[in-house]
Amino acid sequence: DGGITQSPKYLFRKEGQNVTLSCEQNLNHDAMYWYRQDPGQGLRLIYYSQIVNDFQKGDIAEGYSVSREKKESFPLTVTSAQKNPTAFYLCASSQTGESYNEQFFGPGTRLTVL
Amino acid sequence: AQKVTQAQTEISVVEKEDVTLDCVYETRDTTYYLFWYKQPPSGELVFLIRRNSFDEQNEISGRYSWNFQKSTSSFNFTITASQVVDSAVYFCALSEALGGYQKVTFGTGTKLQVIP
Repeated sequence: DGGITQSPKYLFRKEGQNVTLSCEQNLNHDAMYWYRQDPGQGLRLIYYSQIVNDFQKGDIAEGYSVSREKKESFPLTVTSAQKNPTAFYLCASSQTGESYNEQFFGPGTRLTVL
Repeated sequence: AQKVTQAQTEISVVEKEDVTLDCVYETRDTTYYLFWYKQPPSGELVFLIRRNSFDEQNEISGRYSWNFQKSTSSFNFTITASQVVDSAVYFCALSEALGGYQKVTFGTGTKLQVIP
């Protein structure tokens, strides 16, 4: 079955550590996205990518980094510079970056900083 | 700037009742798309419907229906004869083209609890 996988489902990190969240899709989609979800705030865009080896900052990119070396993969690194990283992180993809495309979401990774 | 408002934070209904989830949006563009997504307890958002700004026809899909009114910038979602499986957080979203990419603004979500 086609879809998006994210791992791990739960992640615990000590302050000062970098951590990488995995996102893989087998939908052959060009565009991929990372969102952060906090209680009562909806989804906020961290980074997006429309094509391999290209990505752009979203609304809240500070303290995060990404790479897009393969079409299927779009990992997100939460760096120690992110001041409040505890949140639920959702990866999504769409066929292209056109505005009419629905986005397909992964099951999310819940990150907790101890 | 884009904005999506879902004023209802949480709604509780008894099974078989009808329920309407409100969504009001703001945009300066004439071409845009509106979406509804469902987020069950498992976490992933599931696409429910897309509407473009030029199509104001209401749509019905089984127990779900959507009312798009451009005059009031609203895109409301009604569930008829609600069921426990409808319990989830529902997000309304506005999508526009911005510099060649899809800019999506999500509302803050409405948590629906259907009580058996």
